[in-house]
Amino acid sequence: EAQVTQNPRYLITVTGKKLTVTCSQNMNHEYMSWYRQDPGLGLRQIYYSMNVEVTDKGDVPEGYKVSRKEKRNFPLILESPSPNQTSLYFCASKEGFTPTDTQYFGPGTRLTVL
Amino acid sequence: AQSVAQPEDQVNVAEGNPLTVKCTYSVSGNPYLFWYVQYPNRGLQFLLKYITGDNLVKGSYGFEAEFNKSQTSFHLKKPSALVSDSALYFCAVRDADTGFQKLVFGTGTRLLVSP
Repeated sequence: EAQVTQNPRYLITVTGKKLTVTCSQNMNHEYMSWYRQDPGLGLRQIYYSMNVEVTDKGDVPEGYKVSRKEKRNFPLILESPSPNQTSLYFCASKEGFTPTDTQYFGPGTRLTVL
Repeated sequence: AQSVAQPEDQVNVAEGNPLTVKCTYSVSGNPYLFWYVQYPNRGLQFLLKYITGDNLVKGSYGFEAEFNKSQTSFHLKKPSALVSDSALYFCAVRDADTGFQKLVFGTGTRLLVSP
């Protein structure tokens, strides 16, 4: 089944404890990205990647890191999480770079930082 | 910059009645518009997209959307609502400033369908 997977689905952590949220897609997609969803704000892009070893900042990159060492994986790293990073996170991928490509989303990771 | 607006935080409709979830957009150039649905504890699922051509776009689960260039709107519609349609709906537009890579989302509209 073609899909985007994320792990963990739920995570409660404390301020300053480094964490990684994994994302993997099995569709051989070139483009991958991370979004966070907050009430009243919709989804905002954190980082994106157009190819292996090519990543760039989205709208809200502060406090996050990403890497793209393999085409299928795009982990999101929080080096020192803070309570304002409590949110619902979505990984997404799409096949190419045309405006009409459909973006497919993972199931989400609900993160709580205490 | 591209943007979309979803003017209603919540829409209430009775089962069997038609539903409309509103979206207006602001873009430079051609609009590439999308609708997604988020069911409780689930990820975003793609419903439909407007590229060019017919102003009425048909999508998944019986949903359709009407593109209106003069009103810069892309409203989501369904002729007969189901209780199972209750979910959070997002309108999105491709961002021309990033070479049409990023999706810019609206704030979402919660649809509640009562039995």
